[in-house]
Amino acid sequence: KAGVTQTPRYLIKTRGQQVTLSCSPISGHRSVSWYQQTPGQGLQFLFEYFSETQRNKGNFPGRFSGRQFSNSRSEMNVSTLELGDSALYLCASSPGQGTYEQYFGPGTRLTVT
Amino acid sequence: DAKTTQPTSMDCAEGRAANLPCNHSTISGNEYVYWYRQIHSQGPQYIIHGLKNNETNEMASLIITEDRKSSTLILPHATLRDTAVYYCIVRVTTSGTYKYIFGTGTRLKVLA
Repeated sequence: KAGVTQTPRYLIKTRGQQVTLSCSPISGHRSVSWYQQTPGQGLQFLFEYFSETQRNKGNFPGRFSGRQFSNSRSEMNVSTLELGDSALYLCASSPGQGTYEQYFGPGTRLTVT
Repeated sequence: DAKTTQPTSMDCAEGRAANLPCNHSTISGNEYVYWYRQIHSQGPQYIIHGLKNNETNEMASLIITEDRKSSTLILPHATLRDTAVYYCIVRVTTSGTYKYIFGTGTRLKVLA
């Protein structure tokens, strides 16, 4: 089976712009979670989607949003980018909720200038 | 939310067992402990998880204390490829949904 794929892998944006990141989960997986990883804050949970519904959300401002499509692919959007949004954004998929382990993608490295 | 505390870094000789401790003293009764590792520039990789009992798989063993306030991940025969950041994570349950609270991780260096 193909692993979790994320596009693009690298992105450079300017403050004030918006960005959309994409995640394709492992085939058959219905749950997709997003994380932000920075040197200062480590790995922080952003949100989780299951069957096109946001099931859980971390402590991030409303500028961070996401959605999931019927084929389980997910996108996250960050509006009005700030310098502090520079990070590695990781997507993880799992078959469903419960005690399933999560399978992480390679991440999208976003740099905001 | 439960938090985890881990040593910042550890060294281990190749071929020896690596024992990575984690403190999760505020964990609730239905919250699982997960371990993942992240090798530089890659996404985290699942290692093992448990609730109360000790667990073992092909990669590692997880020892959870009886009071569940701490756990230890054991890599029985560490190799150079086990050099990575190891995260101890608590899976928090809220209204039937789940989220993972990552700790700051332990940077394990396996020495030749």
